[in-house]
Amino acid sequence: KNQVEQSPQSLIILEGKNCTLQCNYTVSPFSNLRWYKQDTGRGPVSLTIMTFSENTKSNGRYTATLDADTKQSSLHITASQLSDSASYICVVSGGGANNLFFGTGTRLTVIP
Amino acid sequence: KAGVTQTPRYLIKTRGQQVTLSCSPISGHRSVSWYQQTPGQGLQFLFEYFSETQRNKGNFPGRFSGRQFSNSRSEMNVSTLELGDSALYLCASSAETPAVGELFFGEGSRLTVL
Repeated sequence: KNQVEQSPQSLIILEGKNCTLQCNYTVSPFSNLRWYKQDTGRGPVSLTIMTFSENTKSNGRYTATLDADTKQSSLHITASQLSDSASYICVVSGGGANNLFFGTGTRLTVIP
Repeated sequence: KAGVTQTPRYLIKTRGQQVTLSCSPISGHRSVSWYQQTPGQGLQFLFEYFSETQRNKGNFPGRFSGRQFSNSRSEMNVSTLELGDSALYLCASSAETPAVGELFFGEGSRLTVL
């Protein structure tokens, strides 16, 4: 069964600290993996899109990694800011019919 | 470049009523896809339209329907509303099929069913 699982469900960190969010998937065949940031009450915004051949991609303080062999991805946030408080959603494309499979997200809260 | 516009942003309906939500994609994008987001289930794919044709459909009952116009604007309709239909409905536009191209989401329509 094609699934995307994210951990942890929620996370609280101090401003300025780093954190890492995890995404494990069973989607096969694999096409690409995306990370989105969703502020409360807003639509998701794309952070990165990674294909099979890419194992690291950065967008400012956000760095995503992909290990297609173990079917794992992580999103590392460096020097967190209060504005990083949001839900982070991992989405995997694939499954033969080129569908999108969504994780349920990690809720990150950055406190001063 | 204007983003994806969804209307209305908020609406309250009662059980049994129907609702129509609208989505205007980014200019030049011909693919519009719709998603339901609830706290318990996360984002779930409803359907995707490309050049006025439904290309893909998620696992939702027939009460959920949509259409796309020649200018790429899209509407989705939910008939005979149930309490469980309360959710944030998001649309996204893309220059390519959603599974390949980057998705640009609107701010969503928050539906509350009483």
